Amino acid sequence: QKEVEQDPGPLSVPEGAIVSLNCTYSNSAFQYFMWYRQYSRKGPELLMYTYSSGNKEDGRFTAQVDKSSKYISLFIRDSQPSDSATYLCAMSSLNDYKLSFGAGTTVTVRA
Amino acid sequence: GAVVSQHPSRVICKSGTSVKIECRSLDFQATTMFWYRQFPKQSLMLMATSNEGSKATYEQGVEKDKFLINHASLTLSTLTVTSAHPEDSSFYICSAPNPGLADEQYFGPGTRLTVT
Repeated sequence: QKEVEQDPGPLSVPEGAIVSLNCTYSNSAFQYFMWYRQYSRKGPELLMYTYSSGNKEDGRFTAQVDKSSKYISLFIRDSQPSDSATYLCAMSSLNDYKLSFGAGTTVTVRA
Repeated sequence: GAVVSQHPSRVICKSGTSVKIECRSLDFQATTMFWYRQFPKQSLMLMATSNEGSKATYEQGVEKDKFLINHASLTLSTLTVTSAHPEDSSFYICSAPNPGLADEQYFGPGTRLTVT
């Protein structure tokens, strides 16, 4: 079993829809949770960073963490064609810089 | 904000040759940097941790003699793929921790290596 599981998709939604992305994990030592966006042939770009259970909002993006269920989510409201990319969840343990990534979900927002 | 650069952005080399990839932190110092490899439509896999002033730490299954890492200064780490083969063709990405928030990392733009 992989430490971090993420549905690779692909996911295709119409413009304006809510995009919902999820990851589950098995390592209870993970304390920091991140979502990265990666455009084709580019390096990942940090979107959201959280370290506690609950919701964190930043513009159209909401990150949700449920440590008891070992489940994290990213919601994108009012999705735009420019949101079309691969979204990767990543997590790390306390005092460990190493990141464990999910497989990435490829999202296409149709105009 | 902090920026991490990589050079070259893409490289094509012949089988059996060696290729060096540079990773630089442009406006901050990084005692630790990380090297990842990403195959098409797959996630990033950590290869090794580059430590300034000491040996790199390699992940299980990564050949340290094939992937040489040198953390020459607080702003530069290099990855040398020695005796490259077609199966080494991949997207190599480095990252460095945000000095203000160490659990956050900045990623470089990646280097696409093609071995013919």
